[in-house]
Amino acid sequence: GAVVSQHPSWVICKSGTSVKIECRSLDFQATTMFWYRQFPKQSLMLMATSNEGSKATYEQGVEKDKFLINHASLTLSTLTVTSAHPEDSSFYICSAPRAPGPYEQYFGPGTRLTVT
Amino acid sequence: SQQGEEDPQALSIQEGENATMNCSYKTSINNLQWYRQNSGRGLVHLILIRSNEREKHSGRLRVTLDTSKKSSSLLITASRAADTASYFCATGPLNAGGTSYGKLTFGQGTILTVHP
Repeated sequence: GAVVSQHPSWVICKSGTSVKIECRSLDFQATTMFWYRQFPKQSLMLMATSNEGSKATYEQGVEKDKFLINHASLTLSTLTVTSAHPEDSSFYICSAPRAPGPYEQYFGPGTRLTVT
Repeated sequence: SQQGEEDPQALSIQEGENATMNCSYKTSINNLQWYRQNSGRGLVHLILIRSNEREKHSGRLRVTLDTSKKSSSLLITASRAADTASYFCATGPLNAGGTSYGKLTFGQGTILTVHP
């Protein structure tokens, strides 16, 4: 079956630095990808919709200047957390619709971000 | 925003027993899905039930949907220790196009523990 990968699987960074997380669809093309954030023992909160070749669509309350999304190709979307702070520490998960779609999703394994 | 509520929040059973998890939602939907998440990992799609369906089976999984009550249940029969995970329901909105394309709204999840 189709696979979505994320890199890195975990990252520790210092407060004030930026971190880039990659989401790749390995054997299918994804014009749309979704980025979620999940705090410990909580559900997934949709942050933004990543659209290939156009601007991302952010959910209400998500700062687009802080969470930069670039969907440069049909198989790659990146999420950059800029000027990270400890409260940005979370589990970030991406997903991409799978056929017949659009609602069934393939999820990446997630990236654990810890900001110290 | 989270529209799904699941109960119980946590369920602990013995291997071989059945596990039932419930999900309620607030708005009209196109479909409802159930996902599984092992600790610290991505989500795995289990089953999708469309709004015009009432029941669906997949292996040891049985899903029901009652659109009049805006609720769904997931039954796992003859549970195994390997079924230990968090289970989330997710709903897809009626409108699949535009800004709603592929968007899912997740419930709070049920943590299932199956003791060997």
